Amino acid sequence: QLQLQESGSGLVKPSQTLSLTCAVSGGSISSGSYSWSWIRQPPGKGLEWIGYMFHSGSTYYNPSLKSRVTISVDRSNNQFSLRLTSVTAADTATYFCARIDRDYSYYYMDVWGKGTTVTVSS
Amino acid sequence: DIQMTQSPSSLSASVGDRVTITCRASQSISSYLNWYQQKPGKAPNLLIYGASSLQSGVPSRFSGSGSGTDFTLTISSLQPEDFATYFCQQSYSNPLTFGGGTKVEIK
Repeated sequence: QLQLQESGSGLVKPSQTLSLTCAVSGGSISSGSYSWSWIRQPPGKGLEWIGYMFHSGSTYYNPSLKSRVTISVDRSNNQFSLRLTSVTAADTATYFCARIDRDYSYYYMDVWGKGTTVTVSS
Repeated sequence: DIQMTQSPSSLSASVGDRVTITCRASQSISSYLNWYQQKPGKAPNLLIYGASSLQSGVPSRFSGSGSGTDFTLTISSLQPEDFATYFCQQSYSNPLTFGGGTKVEIK
């Protein structure tokens, strides 16, 4: 069964770069036509989509974060990553990675990591 | 961006109750609507995709309906494990957007 596990720095200073990795186990990140996504959730709030990498390697980012976000894949280590630059307190959140699958033209996030909490503070 | 509005934001219900949650899109999204359940401290769990297709392994008491701009998630008989927050999410266009959530609490 496919599992995702986020890892990375839990505390980041303002203006610095947030870096997270999502390790994929129980399957290959290169198999099928899946896309791989990052979503975040500020404390006590709703969900915000950050972006995703399509199986072809193309990336799509939320315009609200586009200038600061990079999603990349490391197929040799079966993982994908998130970089968010110039962070502020507003970037404090639980960050989730997820797989995007599809049925015909319907796309949905069917496998999620447990999430990792990132706090932006000096 | 497509705005997703859920109502109510919270509700209280008893075990065995029929519960209905509504999600409205700011423009037509056909049937490109997903529903997730999230329990405290946990990741969201996919319940419904394509507005009405039940994800594998999800109990049949959950159902979804609607198309265009108005959608509904129904729990036919609320169980103790169903007390959680529910989110809708559109997959019609980027950026993908979520509703604000509906918290289902015990009456």
